[in-house]
Amino acid sequence: QVNLQESGPGIVKPSQPLSVTCSVTGYSITTSYYYWNWIRKFSGNKLEWMGYISYDSSIYYNPSLKSRISITRDTSKNQFFLQLNTVTTEDTAVYYCARNAYRDYFDYWGQGVMVTGSS
Amino acid sequence: DIQMTQSPSFLSASVGDRVTLSCKASQNINKYLAWYQQKLGEAPKLLIYNANSLQTGIPSRFSGSGSGTDFTLTISSLQPEDVATYFCLQHNSWPLTFGSGTKLEIK
Repeated sequence: QVNLQESGPGIVKPSQPLSVTCSVTGYSITTSYYYWNWIRKFSGNKLEWMGYISYDSSIYYNPSLKSRISITRDTSKNQFFLQLNTVTTEDTAVYYCARNAYRDYFDYWGQGVMVTGSS
Repeated sequence: DIQMTQSPSFLSASVGDRVTLSCKASQNINKYLAWYQQKLGEAPKLLIYNANSLQTGIPSRFSGSGSGTDFTLTISSLQPEDVATYFCLQHNSWPLTFGSGTKLEIK
């Protein structure tokens, strides 16, 4: 069974970077041909796909975030990471990690972690 | 970006009712639409993929239809455990985009 679990700081001060970790169990993040994504949900239910890192470490970001986002991975721990720079209060959201095949629907999601941009 | 518009945003129905939720795309997305159910505090659950394919383990009272720009999720007989928010996802074009959701409650 594939399981994804997010962990994060809870609160991030404005202008600081936000870092969230996704720990994956039951499936290797280097197995072809899956992609590992970050998605966030704002209050009011708006969902935004943020970007992915692939099984072979290729990366693609939502152009709306391209200047602020970085997705990396640690294959030895079967984890991947989101960093979002220069956080504002508008980055307050629940952050999810999820798996899909290339440009496909997401079949497994984590439960999400709430991150608040606040001083 | 492709805009996904869901309606209604809120729906209250009785147990046993037939319920229809709508998702409209701002441009043609072929069949590349998925539906998800999300209960409070839980991960989203995939119900339907490729517009009309039922995900393994999902009850047959859920069905999807449509192609192009107009899509529908139908629950043939509403059950108490169906209380949740439902949202759609288009995966035809980058960036992948979501609808804003329909919150479904029992009357």
